[in-house]
Amino acid sequence: QKEVEQDPGPLSVPEGAIVSLNCTYSNSAFQYFMWYRQYSRKGPELLMYTYSSGNKEDGRFTAQVDKSSKYISLFIRDSQPSDSATYLCAMNLPGSGGGADGLTFGKGTHLIIQP
Amino acid sequence: DGGITQSPKYLFRKEGQNVTLSCEQNLNHDAMYWYRQDPGQGLRLIYYSQIVNDFQKGDIAEGYSVSREKKESFPLTVTSAQKNPTAFYLCASSTTWNQPQHFGDGTRLSIL
Repeated sequence: QKEVEQDPGPLSVPEGAIVSLNCTYSNSAFQYFMWYRQYSRKGPELLMYTYSSGNKEDGRFTAQVDKSSKYISLFIRDSQPSDSATYLCAMNLPGSGGGADGLTFGKGTHLIIQP
Repeated sequence: DGGITQSPKYLFRKEGQNVTLSCEQNLNHDAMYWYRQDPGQGLRLIYYSQIVNDFQKGDIAEGYSVSREKKESFPLTVTSAQKNPTAFYLCASSTTWNQPQHFGDGTRLSIL
């Protein structure tokens, strides 16, 4: 089972706000977690990659993984209009669990940052 | 600059016609993938290849075919058997299966 749930939005927030984007999953075997940003008519761009529970920070972005709750989050601080995009969560199983066939994606959340 | 190049950016298919989408990478990645993206459906895996001369079907392989004759190239053919081919097609690659995938900028396929 490889279901990943993500609210499609749109999520609209004012510039400078802290944004919280979330995904839940059902398969506790997922081990690798990623967040991608996708602008219109472009391919997804990798933002964050983690394979453990806890927080990982990179500039204005923080990825959080809670394996016990099967819940991952992406926080964006000091949001900018250029952050307006669709954000996709993705995760993978270990190879022994069928992970070799690639990532399982959420359907994406459309984020709008209002100037 | 290293990256993934997909061509063409836009492609039109006539009824009964096969079309081929190109994907080339210069990242020296072993693994390559093809996804289809439809509005409201997210990304769905069509085919993947972990190594040259080997590839596997993904979740929605019917009506598609691929080849992997070179490490850097993974073309996708959309055959006439694919009855609903209109979509945004994305190619990706990764060093190995458990590493993050990097994407090209996609090909948008439409039916004439």
